[in-house]
Amino acid sequence: GAVVSQHPSWVICKSGTSVKIECRSLDFQATTMFWYRQFPKQSLMLMATSNEGSKATYEQGVEKDKFLINHASLTLSTLTVTSAHPEDSSFYICSARVRGGLGDTQYFGPGTRLTVL
Amino acid sequence: GDSVTQMEGPVTLSEEAFLTINCTYTATGYPSLFWYVQYPGEGLQLLLKATKADDKGSNKGFEATYRKETTSFHLEKGSVQVSDSAVYFCVRGSTLGRLYFGRGTQLTVWP
Repeated sequence: GAVVSQHPSWVICKSGTSVKIECRSLDFQATTMFWYRQFPKQSLMLMATSNEGSKATYEQGVEKDKFLINHASLTLSTLTVTSAHPEDSSFYICSARVRGGLGDTQYFGPGTRLTVL
Repeated sequence: GDSVTQMEGPVTLSEEAFLTINCTYTATGYPSLFWYVQYPGEGLQLLLKATKADDKGSNKGFEATYRKETTSFHLEKGSVQVSDSAVYFCVRGSTLGRLYFGRGTQLTVWP
C-alpha cells in the first residue's frame, strides 16, 4: 500500500527556534498533502492544505506566518514551525491525497512529536 | 458550523461483545463520511467510508451506514477482538479532500 513518512519522528527544541518537519510520499506522487495537529486525548485539527507548486491554504485560525508550508515536489511537503514556543508543542501529522480509479484516499504519516522547552 | 460529534470514550469491552460507537455530523450538503482507526504505535488508517446517503461502508467486520435523516454514521461490529483495540475517529469530508475529525474514541478489548 501507499506509504507516507515523516521526519523527524520526534524533536525537542528551545523556545524561539524554528523546526522543520518533512512529509514524504514514498511510492506515489501526491499533488495535495495536508497537515494536522493533534493535542493529547483530542482530535486531529486540520491546519492547512499543501498544494504542489502553489501556496498552501490555511484553515481559519491557523497563523500562516507561524506555520510555513512548502510543497516543492510531488513527493515532499515541509512544515516549519517558526519561533516555536511551548504552546506549539504537539503531535503533527501529515497526509497525502491520492486520486485514482478507486476514488479519493488519504494516507497518513506516523506523526512528529514536537516538544518546545 | 460544520462539525463531527463522536461518542466519548474510553470504551472497554470483553472479547466477542457487540460494539457501537456513535457519530453524528452537521454539514451543509451531503459530505463523504469516514471512520479512521489508529492502532497503538501506528499511523491513521482508513477503516471504511460512505460517500452518499444510505451507503453502507464495511471492512474487517465493522460497518457504518450513512443516515441523512438522523445525520449519523455510527460504527458497529458484532463481535470485537482484542486486536480491535485502538482509537477510532469519525471523519467528515469536505471540499478539495479536506477531512474534519471527531474527537476519537479509545476502544479497549479484554480477552
